[in-house]
Amino acid sequence: QKEVEQNSGPLSVPEGAIASLNCTYSDRGSQSFFWYRQYSGKSPELIMFIYSNGDKEDGRFTAQLNKASQYVSLLIRDSQPSDSATYLCAVNRDQTDKLIFGTGTRLQVFP
Amino acid sequence: AAGVIQSPRHLIKEKRETATLKCYPIPRHDTVYWYQQGPGQDPQFLISFYEKMQSDKGSIPDRFSAQQFSDYHSELNMSSLELGDSALYFCASSLGGTSSYNEQFFGPGTRLTVL
Repeated sequence: QKEVEQNSGPLSVPEGAIASLNCTYSDRGSQSFFWYRQYSGKSPELIMFIYSNGDKEDGRFTAQLNKASQYVSLLIRDSQPSDSATYLCAVNRDQTDKLIFGTGTRLQVFP
Repeated sequence: AAGVIQSPRHLIKEKRETATLKCYPIPRHDTVYWYQQGPGQDPQFLISFYEKMQSDKGSIPDRFSAQQFSDYHSELNMSSLELGDSALYFCASSLGGTSSYNEQFFGPGTRLTVL
């Protein structure tokens, strides 16, 4: 079992809809949580990070963290075709600076 | 805004050859990280440096070595290349030393192909 789990998808949503991406992690010592977007053959691009339980909003993106359930999610409002990409959840454990990635969820936004 | 620079962007090598990948972090960033991403896989952490010292080590083969220089750029040296080393190699940088709260910004990557 991977330390960070994501549904590989693809998750298909119509343009303008809300896309909901989910991630679970196994190490309760995890401190910080990151969402990266990666287009095919390109590098991961940091979208959001969250450290505390609750919601964090940035434009069309909202990250949600529930440490008790070891669950983090990313909501994308008003989804656009340009949002079509693989979304990587990454976790950083205490006293370490390496990111542990999930396998990513492929999002497809169709017009 | 300036981003992480990696060179070369593409590299083709034969088995058993050596390769050197270079990374120039975002200006003022003092910490660099190296990740390897195989086809269809998630990025795997290799090694990181802060202030020229190794700060963390992951699944980096003994055939690989890396260092960070006084100008904060970093080089990943790979020897006795194997077919399985073919992958995208990303460098990321952050500001503020080793911390689990650092935001890491990734460079465009070097695509290494071993024939």
